[in-house]
Order: sequence, then C-alpha cells, then structure tokens
Amino acid sequence: DAMVIQNPRYQVTQFGKPVTLSCSQTLNHNVMYWYQQKSSQAPKLLFHYYDKDFNNEADTPDNFQSRRPNTSFCFLDIRSPGLGDAAMYLCATSSTRGNEQYFGPGTRLTVT
Amino acid sequence: AQTVTQSQPEMSVQEAETVTLSCTYDTSENNYYLFWYKQPPSRQMILVIRQEAYKQQNATENRFSVNFQKAAKSFSLKISDSQLGDTAMYFCASGHGGSQGNLIFGKGTKLSVKP
Repeated sequence: DAMVIQNPRYQVTQFGKPVTLSCSQTLNHNVMYWYQQKSSQAPKLLFHYYDKDFNNEADTPDNFQSRRPNTSFCFLDIRSPGLGDAAMYLCATSSTRGNEQYFGPGTRLTVT
Repeated sequence: AQTVTQSQPEMSVQEAETVTLSCTYDTSENNYYLFWYKQPPSRQMILVIRQEAYKQQNATENRFSVNFQKAAKSFSLKISDSQLGDTAMYFCASGHGGSQGNLIFGKGTKLSVKP
C-alpha cells in the first residue's frame, strides 16, 4: 500500500544535541510537510516543500531545518533541541497544495 | 487570512447514537476544500471526509456525513451509529491551491464514545 513512513517512531535526545527525523513516501506526491504537534493541540505547520521549492512558515524557529534530497524523502533537522521542542512531529504529503494530506504515524521526540 | 473554528473542545456520545461536531471557517477564496481528520489516541491522523466547495451535494462516507452550508461558512460532521473506535480528536481543516495553499486546522474536538 502507498504510504507515508516516519523513522524513528520514538526519539530521545539530549538538550542541545542535534537530531534528525526522517520521512519517506511511496505516494509520489509533490508536496511534503512537517508539522509539530503538542498534546491535544492542532498540528502546527513548520515548513513544506513543493517539489524542490522550500517554504518556511514565518514563525518557525531557525533551530528547525529541513532537507528534501529527492521526491521520496524529507528530513527534519533540529540543530539544538530545547525542552520546549519535545513534541510529536508529523510528516504529511499531498499531490497539490491545499488538497488532502496524508499523514505518517509521527515521531515522538523527547528531550532530556 | 483563512481561519477555522471548532467551538466544542470536548464532546461525548453513547455508543450507537448520533453526534454532530461543529466547524465554521472563513476564507476569501472561491475554490477551496474542506476536510475532517480523525486522530485516535496515540495513533495516526487519517482523513475522514472531504468536501469541495464548488459541490453543493454534501459528502458522505459510510457513517460519516457533512452538512456543508457555504453561505454560512459552516461545515459540520455527523457521525451516525457511533462506535467505540470513533473515540478520537477530530480536526476540521480548510485548504486552497496556490503558493500559500496549506491546510488551516481548527483546534480540534475531543470525542468520547461511551459504552
């Protein structure tokens, strides 16, 4: 089945230690998104790629970076995680912007 | 700017009964989409139902249906014959194409289905 895969499902990192989360998709969608979701809240969009075109949300901290080396893969890099960055990170894809998005299972990040 | 409002932070319903979740939105776009997403506890967010704004007919998916009132900018979700597995956070979202066309999510409604 076509899907969105996130690895790892759980990640523990130390305060200030860089961490990378990965996302892959078999849907061949043009658009890939990264969201941060804290407990019982709506997902907060961090950035998205439309093909190779990177789009950063205005309020996304500089601490968060992203890479999309090819259509299938997208990475979220947190350069110096703080305690406030502990959250669920969701990756999603869509064929076009504004249309339905398909979500991965998420990576739960713990910062110690 | 687009906004999506879900005015019911929490709701509960008895198993087998019907429940309606409210959502209102605001947009200046003529062509847009509306969605309901379901996120069960500690599980993946999945699409429940999708409505294209230009379609007058309300979307349905099995036990899930919407009441789309375009003039009132209202997009409520009705769940019929509620099941225990319907317990989840439900997010209403709107989106449109174009360079800024990302989904705008409401704050969510936590639905509990009670046996």
